[in-house]
Amino acid sequence: QVQLQQSGPGLVKPSQTLSLTCVISGDTVSSNSAAWSWIRQSPSRGLEWLGRTFYRSKWYNDYAVSVKSRITINPDTSKNQFSLQLNSVTPEDTAVYYCARLEQLVGSYFDYWGQGTLVTVSS
Amino acid sequence: DIQMTQSPSSLSASVGDRVTITCRASQSISSYLNWYQHKPGKAPKLLIYAASRLQSGVPSRFSGSGSGTDFTLTISSLQPEDFATYSCQQSHSTPYTFGQGTKLEIK
Repeated sequence: QVQLQQSGPGLVKPSQTLSLTCVISGDTVSSNSAAWSWIRQSPSRGLEWLGRTFYRSKWYNDYAVSVKSRITINPDTSKNQFSLQLNSVTPEDTAVYYCARLEQLVGSYFDYWGQGTLVTVSS
Repeated sequence: DIQMTQSPSSLSASVGDRVTITCRASQSISSYLNWYQHKPGKAPKLLIYAASRLQSGVPSRFSGSGSGTDFTLTISSLQPEDFATYSCQQSHSTPYTFGQGTKLEIK
C-alpha cells in the first residue's frame, strides 16, 4: 500500500518561498512506471496540476506554464521523497497543496494522494 | 491546454437514484480520462481511470464510459456516502487538467 505523507509550513509571507515535502512509502521515487506530482486546489482555480518529476533512465521534470518560472520539484532518492518549491508567492497561491503519484501503466492517473496542506500566503 | 468542462455544476438527487455526470474535452483525448471523488478535508479519491476502468476497491455502482471528447460517469444507485464532488481529469497531455467539478447534493 502506497502512502504519501506531506509536511511543510501552512503560512508563507508574500514574496517568500513555499516549500513542501512528500515522503513516499510503499513505492520508490525512482519508480519506472510512476511520476510524482504536486497539485493544488483553491475555490477560484479548482484543481490545478503544478508539475511532476519522474525517472526513466534519467530524471525528468515538467511544469505547468502558469508557474514554470517559479517552481522546482526535486526528488531525493536517499530519503525516498520529493519536494515542491514555489518562489515569489502571492495571495493567489493560497490553496490546499497535494502531492500525488501518477501511475502510468494503463493510461495515467493519480491513484495515491497525500493528506493535503493548506498553505496561506499572508503577511 | 486541454479544457475540461463538466455538466451539471451541481445536482440534487436522492438515495437510490441513478445519476449521470458529463465531461467534455476541448479536443480528442482518446480514453485518457479519469474520474475522482472528493469530500471536504479529504484528498481526492480515484474512481475510474482510462475512461471506463474501475479502480480497485471502488464499488461497482460506479461506471464510466466515452472516448474522444465526450465522457460520462454514472452512479447506478446512490448511497449516502456518495454525496460529494466529482471531477474529471485528462491525462492525454501535460498540463494535466481537471474539470471544474460537479457537486452532488442530497435532495
